[in-house]
Amino acid sequence: QKEVEQDPGPLSVPEGAIVSLNCTYSNSAFQYFMWYRQYSRKGPELLMYTYSSGNKEDGRFTAQVDKSSKYISLFIRDSQPSDSATYLCAVVNAGNNRKLIWGLGTSLAVNP
Amino acid sequence: NAGVTQTPKFRVLKTGQSMTLLCAQDMNHEYMYWYRQDPGMGLRLIHYSVGEGTTAKGEVPDGYNVSRLKKQNFLLGLESAAPSQTSVYFCASSYRTGGGDTEAFFGQGTRLTVV
Repeated sequence: QKEVEQDPGPLSVPEGAIVSLNCTYSNSAFQYFMWYRQYSRKGPELLMYTYSSGNKEDGRFTAQVDKSSKYISLFIRDSQPSDSATYLCAVVNAGNNRKLIWGLGTSLAVNP
Repeated sequence: NAGVTQTPKFRVLKTGQSMTLLCAQDMNHEYMYWYRQDPGMGLRLIHYSVGEGTTAKGEVPDGYNVSRLKKQNFLLGLESAAPSQTSVYFCASSYRTGGGDTEAFFGQGTRLTVV
């Protein structure tokens, strides 16, 4: 079992839709949870990060962590064609090995 | 502010040839990383460095070597390229590792094809 599981999609939605992107993880020692966005032929860039269970909001984006279920989500409200990208979740183990562990990424297309 | 710059952006190699990928960052970051990204495999860590003069193996280090002689530069070498090394290579840097305030900044990638 991979440490971080993420459905690769692709996910296709109409403009204005609410998008839900999800990851599950296996190790309860993971403490930091991040979402990166990667446009085609570009490097990933950090979108949001969270530490504790609950929600964190930034504009149209909401990151949600449920540590009891080992489930993390990214919601995009009023999706725009410019949101079309691959979204990668990443987690960090707070132990001695503090490297990022990546999901495979979910490809999202927002159609005008 | 350039951030993380990778050189070259594209390269085609013949099997058995060698090459060096250069990564430069101007953010005074301690940590630097080399990843490869392949369809269906995601980002996989090749090697990383926690400071000038140090390097360590990541998840898929075989066939690659690295050097961090200067804090701002991290070089990735392929001594004898193989078709299995066809991939998109990303360099990243961060102030430190772990923690929620550790943002990894990525370069634009190097597309390498080995024929």
